[in-house]
Amino acid sequence: EDQVTQSPEALRLQEGESSSLNCSYTVSGLRGLFWYRQDPGKGPEFLFTLYSAGEEKEKERLKATLTKKESFLHITAPKPEDSATYLCAVLSNSNSGYALNFGKGTSLLVTP
Amino acid sequence: GAVVSQHPSRVICKSGTSVKIECRSLDFQATTMFWYRQFPKQSLMLMATSNEGSKATYEQGVEKDKFLINHASLTLSTLTVTSAHPEDSSFYICSAREYTGSGANVLTFGAGSRLTVL
Repeated sequence: EDQVTQSPEALRLQEGESSSLNCSYTVSGLRGLFWYRQDPGKGPEFLFTLYSAGEEKEKERLKATLTKKESFLHITAPKPEDSATYLCAVLSNSNSGYALNFGKGTSLLVTP
Repeated sequence: GAVVSQHPSRVICKSGTSVKIECRSLDFQATTMFWYRQFPKQSLMLMATSNEGSKATYEQGVEKDKFLINHASLTLSTLTVTSAHPEDSSFYICSAREYTGSGANVLTFGAGSRLTVL
């Protein structure tokens, strides 16, 4: 069974303090690893899709990387507005074909 | 970019009543929409896949007679929680897949609907 495990569950950073979030996955044939950002009471907002080991993508202060077993979301010099829950997901088999299988997320708080 | 609108954003109902949640793709057609449920501090769990013009496909453990899904057009899917009970209180989120010109596809999520059953 496909599994997605994110760590840490929660992370508190000071503004400007860079760090990384981890997403470990086990899947029978990776068809895509996805990162989303979710603000409280809102739906997830798409950030990145990675398809193969060694792939990297960047967007502003965020950089996502992928290996055969895990993905990292690196946050460089974060700002308070980066505070959110970051969700990792893989495409997994579902009763209707494929669907996103999410981890529990990492709740990030960036303080001024 | 693609936008998915969900309505209502919050709903409170009495136990035993039914509640309908709408999910619309505003600027693209979606033959497939997905319905997720999220409990506090938990991950999004897929409930069902909604297919335009055909029956929805439900995931294991999701009661199809309780969670009625209708995907009557290429831009609208509805989820009706029938005979709601307090344990159905949750955050319900829909998503739709937009196929881009590069062949990749991205799931766009609605803002979610917070259901509270008294």
